[in-house]
Amino acid sequence: GDSVTQMEGPVTLSEEAFLTINCTYTATGYPSLFWYVQYPGEGLQLLLKATKADDKGSNKGFEATYRKETTSFHLEKGSVQVSDSAVYFCALRHQGAQKLVFGQGTRLTINP
Amino acid sequence: SAVISQKPSRDICQRGTSLTIQCQVDSQVTMMFWYRQQPGQSLTLIATANQGSEATYESGFVIDKFPISRPNLTFSTLTVSNMSPEDSSIYLCSEEIAGSVQFFGPGTRLTVL
Repeated sequence: GDSVTQMEGPVTLSEEAFLTINCTYTATGYPSLFWYVQYPGEGLQLLLKATKADDKGSNKGFEATYRKETTSFHLEKGSVQVSDSAVYFCALRHQGAQKLVFGQGTRLTINP
Repeated sequence: SAVISQKPSRDICQRGTSLTIQCQVDSQVTMMFWYRQQPGQSLTLIATANQGSEATYESGFVIDKFPISRPNLTFSTLTVSNMSPEDSSIYLCSEEIAGSVQFFGPGTRLTVL
């Protein structure tokens, strides 16, 4: 079945560092891919998405490119801030399905 | 975007009791979803709630344990029945907009003693 694998956390960086959180998936066909973020004490928020190969999703300085050849959707940000500290979830939605399949989440902590 | 509210935001319950969680969305949607996030874990879909029909449950979840109501296009409830400490989780509802994006409520943090 469909699955999503994220790099294990926690990840701790200093402010203004470059961020990469790896995400790979297993699915047939061409799923839609998503990154959600969960700030402390809050629910999930959609961060960005991509619906087809080579699409780049971007929001709040974060980017992720849908790579069909490597089945990946890595999240990147050039300069992180303390306010980016949160748990990040990669997810996929298979064609024709409503269910979101989530990765295990990566906890990110940014130190000033 | 979407505005989704859940009640209660958190609760502490005794073993063997039941809790009903409410989810209200600000627009009429066909599909609403209920997820569980166990401590330190990812989200797992419990069921899909369609208005006017019975909910569709994922493998490992049954209606007797997690009955769901969907009386109209903006409201749904999830009941966690006969609770045990293993049911301690965050329960989130979500709605689907534009056929591809799900937006989530703030979650209900449940602790079962």
